[in-house]
Amino acid sequence: DIQLTQSPSSLSASIGDRVTITCRASQSTGNYLNWYQQKPGKAPKVLIYAASSLQSGVPSRFSGSGSGTDFTLTISSLQPEDFATYYCQQSYTIPWTFGQGTNVEIK
Amino acid sequence: EVQLVESGGGLVKPGGSLRLSCAASGFGLSGTWMNWVRQAPGKGLEWVGRIKAEAGGGATDYADPVKGRFTISRDDSKKALYLQMNSLKTEDTAVYFCSALSTWGGVIVISYWGQGTLVTVSS
Repeated sequence: DIQLTQSPSSLSASIGDRVTITCRASQSTGNYLNWYQQKPGKAPKVLIYAASSLQSGVPSRFSGSGSGTDFTLTISSLQPEDFATYYCQQSYTIPWTFGQGTNVEIK
Repeated sequence: EVQLVESGGGLVKPGGSLRLSCAASGFGLSGTWMNWVRQAPGKGLEWVGRIKAEAGGGATDYADPVKGRFTISRDDSKKALYLQMNSLKTEDTAVYFCSALSTWGGVIVISYWGQGTLVTVSS
């Protein structure tokens, strides 16, 4: 199974900060890597697919990069509605797997 | 508007069975691969399994922790997805999300999610 390790597991940041979350895969996933945002009590929603493509309707302050085993989700200027938990997920091979999540909190 | 609405969750004893349903609307279920993901209380997301469209044979794949105990099925005529869960364990306690899969940019994405239904396995 492909393991996805996110770092950090949690972070505290202020409004306007630039935030970077990394996702490292135990083996190459090509660009079969997606990012999801989940708020408490809600279902996740997709932000970035295929490593770097922004889902329709998602603000442009979100961006993704990487390929192979190392991926990054960046929020260029953190907004109040961005405080949430973020997960990476690979759909390269079954079983699909998720990272453990990164909780972004208000500083 | 795409809507996925799960039902059937509840409290069940270890070793028991439960069937979850997911009602789909706002898109063509028959051509869509579907998926279940779960989330234990206070924990992260865990992929449970997927089912391909009937045109693709309706084949299923499962995560190892549920293989042999859980079965995903679909009834496109009723616009419904199901998760039959047998031999339930306490570690199966979670919110179960029904979700639709899409292929975007050549990559399979969990594109739409239901609100989830809570399954509690406890004596």
